[in-house]
Amino acid sequence: KAGVTQTPRYLIKTRGQQVTLSCSPISGHRSVSWYQQTPGQGLQFLFEYFSETQRNKGNFPGRFSGRQFSNSRSEMNVSTLELGDSALYLCASSFTARLAADTQYFGPGTRLTVL
Amino acid sequence: AQTVTQSQPEMSVQEAETVTLSCTYDTSESDYYLFWYKQPPSRQMILVIRQEAYKQQNATENRFSVNFQKAAKSFSLKISDSQLGDAAMYFCATAGGTSYGKLTFGQGTILTVHP
Repeated sequence: KAGVTQTPRYLIKTRGQQVTLSCSPISGHRSVSWYQQTPGQGLQFLFEYFSETQRNKGNFPGRFSGRQFSNSRSEMNVSTLELGDSALYLCASSFTARLAADTQYFGPGTRLTVL
Repeated sequence: AQTVTQSQPEMSVQEAETVTLSCTYDTSESDYYLFWYKQPPSRQMILVIRQEAYKQQNATENRFSVNFQKAAKSFSLKISDSQLGDAAMYFCATAGGTSYGKLTFGQGTILTVHP
């Protein structure tokens, strides 16, 4: 079974631009979570989607948004990029997102650099 | 709210020796779960071990075991017979029983394994 895939793997943008990152979960998984990883703030939860609905959201500004499609693939969008948005963005999928009994499987991440 | 603290930014161990990584946490939830994740230099995050907080018995997965002290809110990871492939960043994380898809991570511990 193929793992979680993320595209693109690397991205360079300039301040003020917007960017869209894509995540394809493991086949059969319906939950997709997104995390931002930076040296200073560590790993921070952005949001979670299940069956095209956002069920949980972290403490990020409205410039960060996401969506999920009927095939469970997810995209996240960052508008009006700031230098501080430079980070590794990780996507994780699970069957239900109830982490009590489920495991999140992570993708390799998208490295975003904002110049 | 949940917080996770890893007080050891870096640790090192000789191959075949044992090392223990520390983690303390705080949570307002009565139902929660604890995890150790490994992030090798290739960046793909992998689940090492999980612990249900309601279980008194410490989880074990091959060479990896935890020491879960619920009253002290401590969740350390012991790696026995360390191997070169164990070199990675290790993250301690927690998830609430009612929180969808959200892991709260510590800052991580870089583990170096010396041959």
